[in-house]
Amino acid sequence: ETGVTQTPRHLVMGMTNKKSLKCEQHLGHNAMYWYKQSAKKPLELMFVYSLEERVENNSVPSRFSPECPNSSHLFLHLHTLQPEDSALYLCASSQEWTSGMYEQYFGPGTRLTVT
Amino acid sequence: AQSVTQLGSHVSVSEGALVLLRCNYSSSVPPYLFWYVQYPNQGLQLLLKYTSAATLVKGINGFEAEFKKSETSFHLTKPSAHMSDAAEYFCAVSGTSYDKVIFGPGTSLSVIP
Repeated sequence: ETGVTQTPRHLVMGMTNKKSLKCEQHLGHNAMYWYKQSAKKPLELMFVYSLEERVENNSVPSRFSPECPNSSHLFLHLHTLQPEDSALYLCASSQEWTSGMYEQYFGPGTRLTVT
Repeated sequence: AQSVTQLGSHVSVSEGALVLLRCNYSSSVPPYLFWYVQYPNQGLQLLLKYTSAATLVKGINGFEAEFKKSETSFHLTKPSAHMSDAAEYFCAVSGTSYDKVIFGPGTSLSVIP
Protein backbone atom coordinates (compact mmCIF):
# COMPACT_ATOMS: atom_id res chain seq x y z
CA GLU A 1 0.00 0.00 0.00
CA THR A 2 1.17 3.50 -0.74
CA GLY A 3 0.06 6.97 0.21
CA VAL A 4 -3.03 7.35 2.34
CA THR A 5 -5.69 4.65 2.42
CA GLN A 6 -9.20 4.80 3.84
CA THR A 7 -11.73 2.11 4.60
CA PRO A 8 -14.51 1.62 3.95
CA ARG A 9 -14.94 3.62 0.74
CA HIS A 10 -18.71 3.69 1.15
CA LEU A 11 -20.82 3.38 4.28
CA VAL A 12 -24.56 3.48 4.81
CA MET A 13 -25.69 3.58 8.40
CA GLY A 14 -28.81 4.21 10.38
CA MET A 15 -29.03 6.94 12.98
CA THR A 16 -28.76 4.48 15.85
CA ASN A 17 -25.71 2.60 14.55
CA LYS A 18 -22.13 2.81 15.67
CA LYS A 19 -19.40 2.57 13.05
CA SER A 20 -15.80 3.57 12.59
CA LEU A 21 -13.84 4.97 9.69
CA LYS A 22 -10.22 3.95 9.33
CA CYS A 23 -7.30 5.79 7.80
CA GLU A 24 -3.71 4.64 7.37
CA GLN A 25 -0.78 6.60 5.98
CA HIS A 26 2.33 4.98 4.56
CA LEU A 27 4.34 8.20 4.11
CA GLY A 28 6.13 8.46 7.43
CA HIS A 29 4.28 11.65 8.31
CA ASN A 30 3.65 12.81 11.85
CA ALA A 31 0.36 14.67 11.47
CA MET A 32 -3.04 13.32 10.43
CA TYR A 33 -6.31 15.08 9.72
CA TRP A 34 -10.02 14.40 9.34
CA TYR A 35 -12.00 16.63 6.98
CA LYS A 36 -15.69 16.70 6.14
CA GLN A 37 -16.66 17.58 2.60
CA SER A 38 -20.34 18.33 2.02
CA ALA A 39 -21.93 19.36 -1.22
CA LYS A 40 -21.85 23.12 -1.79
CA LYS A 41 -19.78 23.73 1.34
CA PRO A 42 -16.08 24.41 1.91
CA LEU A 43 -13.83 21.68 3.17
CA GLU A 44 -14.25 21.53 6.95
CA LEU A 45 -11.35 20.55 9.19
CA MET A 46 -12.67 18.35 11.98
CA PHE A 47 -9.64 17.06 13.87
CA VAL A 48 -5.87 17.13 13.69
CA TYR A 49 -3.37 14.89 15.44
CA SER A 50 0.22 16.02 15.41
CA LEU A 51 2.97 14.49 17.51
CA GLU A 52 0.29 12.97 19.72
CA GLU A 53 -1.41 16.30 20.33
CA ARG A 54 -5.01 16.66 19.26
CA VAL A 55 -6.59 19.81 17.93
CA GLU A 56 -10.26 19.89 17.22
CA ASN A 57 -12.75 22.15 15.58
CA ASN A 58 -15.08 23.15 18.39
CA SER A 59 -18.05 23.13 16.06
CA VAL A 60 -17.81 19.37 15.46
CA PRO A 61 -20.56 17.50 17.33
CA SER A 62 -19.61 15.01 20.04
CA ARG A 63 -21.14 12.18 18.01
CA PHE A 64 -17.83 12.22 16.12
CA SER A 65 -14.93 10.87 18.14
CA PRO A 66 -11.38 10.56 16.75
CA GLU A 67 -8.69 8.16 17.81
CA CYS A 68 -5.05 8.13 16.80
CA PRO A 69 -3.22 5.12 18.31
CA ASN A 70 0.03 5.91 16.48
CA SER A 71 1.35 8.23 13.81
CA SER A 72 0.25 5.94 10.98
CA HIS A 73 -3.35 5.19 11.95
CA LEU A 74 -6.37 7.38 12.47
CA PHE A 75 -9.95 6.44 13.25
CA LEU A 76 -13.20 8.34 13.32
CA HIS A 77 -15.82 6.73 15.53
CA LEU A 78 -19.40 7.53 14.66
CA HIS A 79 -22.51 7.14 16.80
CA THR A 80 -26.09 8.35 16.67
CA LEU A 81 -25.47 10.36 13.53
CA GLN A 82 -27.94 12.65 11.84
CA PRO A 83 -28.88 12.77 8.14
CA GLU A 84 -26.97 16.06 7.78
CA ASP A 85 -23.79 14.15 8.62
CA SER A 86 -23.96 12.47 5.22
CA ALA A 87 -20.84 13.63 3.40
CA LEU A 88 -17.45 12.60 2.07
CA TYR A 89 -15.00 12.16 4.95
CA LEU A 90 -11.42 12.70 3.95
CA CYS A 91 -8.31 11.73 5.80
CA ALA A 92 -5.00 13.48 5.16
CA SER A 93 -1.48 13.40 6.49
CA SER A 94 1.46 15.77 6.44
CA GLN A 95 4.86 16.27 7.96
CA GLU A 96 4.77 18.87 10.67
CA TRP A 97 7.34 21.59 10.13
CA THR A 98 7.76 24.59 12.33
CA SER A 99 8.04 26.64 9.16
CA GLY A 100 4.38 26.14 8.34
CA MET A 101 4.81 24.22 5.09
CA TYR A 102 2.01 21.74 5.61
CA GLU A 103 1.70 19.90 2.35
CA GLN A 104 -1.14 17.45 2.82
CA TYR A 105 -1.68 14.11 1.19
CA PHE A 106 -5.25 12.91 1.03
CA GLY A 107 -6.90 9.54 1.01
CA PRO A 108 -9.73 8.72 -1.40
CA GLY A 109 -12.40 9.37 1.22
CA THR A 110 -15.32 7.50 2.73
CA ARG A 111 -18.72 8.37 1.31
CA LEU A 112 -21.06 8.24 4.30
CA THR A 113 -24.83 8.13 3.99
CA VAL A 114 -26.94 8.36 7.12
CA THR A 115 -30.49 7.05 6.73
CA ALA B 1 -6.10 35.50 10.23
CA GLN B 2 -5.67 33.65 7.00
CA SER B 3 -8.28 33.28 4.30
CA VAL B 4 -8.59 32.13 0.71
CA THR B 5 -11.02 33.22 -1.97
CA GLN B 6 -11.52 31.65 -5.35
CA LEU B 7 -13.29 33.79 -7.88
CA GLY B 8 -15.78 31.77 -9.85
CA SER B 9 -17.31 28.63 -8.41
CA HIS B 10 -17.58 27.24 -11.93
CA VAL B 11 -15.41 27.82 -14.99
CA SER B 12 -15.97 26.41 -18.48
CA VAL B 13 -13.33 26.37 -21.19
CA SER B 14 -13.09 24.80 -24.60
CA GLU B 15 -10.67 21.98 -25.18
CA GLY B 16 -7.32 23.48 -26.17
CA ALA B 17 -8.09 26.87 -24.63
CA LEU B 18 -6.26 28.56 -21.79
CA VAL B 19 -7.27 27.59 -18.28
CA LEU B 20 -7.17 30.33 -15.64
CA LEU B 21 -8.41 29.65 -12.12
CA ARG B 22 -8.16 32.51 -9.67
CA CYS B 23 -7.02 32.43 -6.06
CA ASN B 24 -6.48 35.32 -3.68
CA TYR B 25 -5.31 34.95 -0.13
CA SER B 26 -4.77 36.93 3.00
CA SER B 27 -2.15 36.00 5.52
CA SER B 28 -0.41 37.73 8.40
CA VAL B 29 2.74 35.69 7.83
CA PRO B 30 4.62 34.73 4.68
CA PRO B 31 2.31 32.11 3.23
CA TYR B 32 2.78 28.69 1.80
CA LEU B 33 0.28 28.22 -1.00
CA PHE B 34 -1.07 25.11 -2.65
CA TRP B 35 -3.35 24.03 -5.44
CA TYR B 36 -5.14 20.71 -5.18
CA VAL B 37 -7.31 18.90 -7.70
CA GLN B 38 -10.18 16.56 -6.91
CA TYR B 39 -11.63 14.20 -9.47
CA PRO B 40 -15.11 12.75 -8.90
CA ASN B 41 -15.29 10.29 -6.01
CA GLN B 42 -11.65 10.80 -5.13
CA GLY B 43 -9.60 12.63 -2.55
CA LEU B 44 -7.60 15.78 -3.16
CA GLN B 45 -4.32 15.52 -5.02
CA LEU B 46 -1.57 18.10 -4.76
CA LEU B 47 -1.00 19.90 -8.08
CA LEU B 48 1.71 22.32 -7.01
CA LYS B 49 2.99 24.35 -4.09
CA TYR B 50 4.63 27.71 -3.49
CA THR B 51 7.34 27.69 -0.85
CA SER B 52 9.08 31.03 -1.58
CA ALA B 53 11.85 29.45 -3.67
CA ALA B 54 10.43 30.80 -6.95
CA THR B 55 7.39 32.89 -7.79
CA LEU B 56 6.48 30.80 -10.84
CA VAL B 57 5.71 27.26 -9.79
CA LYS B 58 5.28 24.35 -12.15
CA GLY B 59 3.16 21.41 -11.18
CA ILE B 60 1.85 18.19 -12.56
CA ASN B 61 -0.29 17.76 -15.68
CA GLY B 62 1.06 20.95 -17.28
CA PHE B 63 -0.32 23.33 -14.66
CA GLU B 64 1.58 26.26 -13.23
CA ALA B 65 0.86 29.10 -10.85
CA GLU B 66 2.45 32.47 -10.20
CA PHE B 67 2.77 34.01 -6.76
CA LYS B 68 2.20 37.76 -6.83
CA LYS B 69 2.71 39.28 -3.43
CA SER B 70 1.55 42.75 -4.45
CA GLU B 71 -1.77 41.30 -5.63
CA THR B 72 -1.96 38.60 -2.92
CA SER B 73 -2.76 36.17 -5.69
CA PHE B 74 -1.77 32.68 -6.71
CA HIS B 75 -3.67 32.00 -9.93
CA LEU B 76 -3.50 28.60 -11.61
CA THR B 77 -3.02 28.36 -15.35
CA LYS B 78 -2.61 25.79 -18.09
CA PRO B 79 -1.96 26.81 -21.70
CA SER B 80 -4.19 24.20 -23.31
CA ALA B 81 -7.12 22.49 -21.60
CA HIS B 82 -7.63 18.78 -21.96
CA MET B 83 -10.83 16.88 -21.34
CA SER B 84 -9.15 15.07 -18.45
CA ASP B 85 -8.67 18.41 -16.65
CA ALA B 86 -12.37 18.54 -15.77
CA ALA B 87 -12.40 18.42 -11.96
CA GLU B 88 -12.72 20.52 -8.82
CA TYR B 89 -9.74 22.71 -7.95
CA PHE B 90 -8.91 23.99 -4.49
CA CYS B 91 -6.49 26.68 -3.46
CA ALA B 92 -5.08 26.47 0.07
CA VAL B 93 -2.82 28.49 2.34
CA SER B 94 -0.89 27.37 5.38
CA GLY B 95 0.86 29.46 7.96
CA THR B 96 2.43 28.77 11.27
CA SER B 97 0.48 25.82 12.55
CA TYR B 98 -0.77 22.49 11.29
CA ASP B 99 -4.32 23.41 12.20
CA LYS B 100 -4.12 26.57 10.16
CA VAL B 101 -4.35 25.16 6.67
CA ILE B 102 -7.20 27.01 5.03
CA PHE B 103 -8.87 25.79 1.86
CA GLY B 104 -10.77 27.90 -0.59
CA PRO B 105 -14.32 26.97 -1.59
CA GLY B 106 -13.20 25.36 -4.82
CA THR B 107 -13.71 25.99 -8.52
CA SER B 108 -15.33 23.40 -10.73
CA LEU B 109 -13.68 23.26 -14.15
CA SER B 110 -15.61 21.97 -17.15
CA VAL B 111 -13.91 21.34 -20.48
CA ILE B 112 -16.09 21.55 -23.57
CA PRO B 113 -15.13 19.40 -26.58
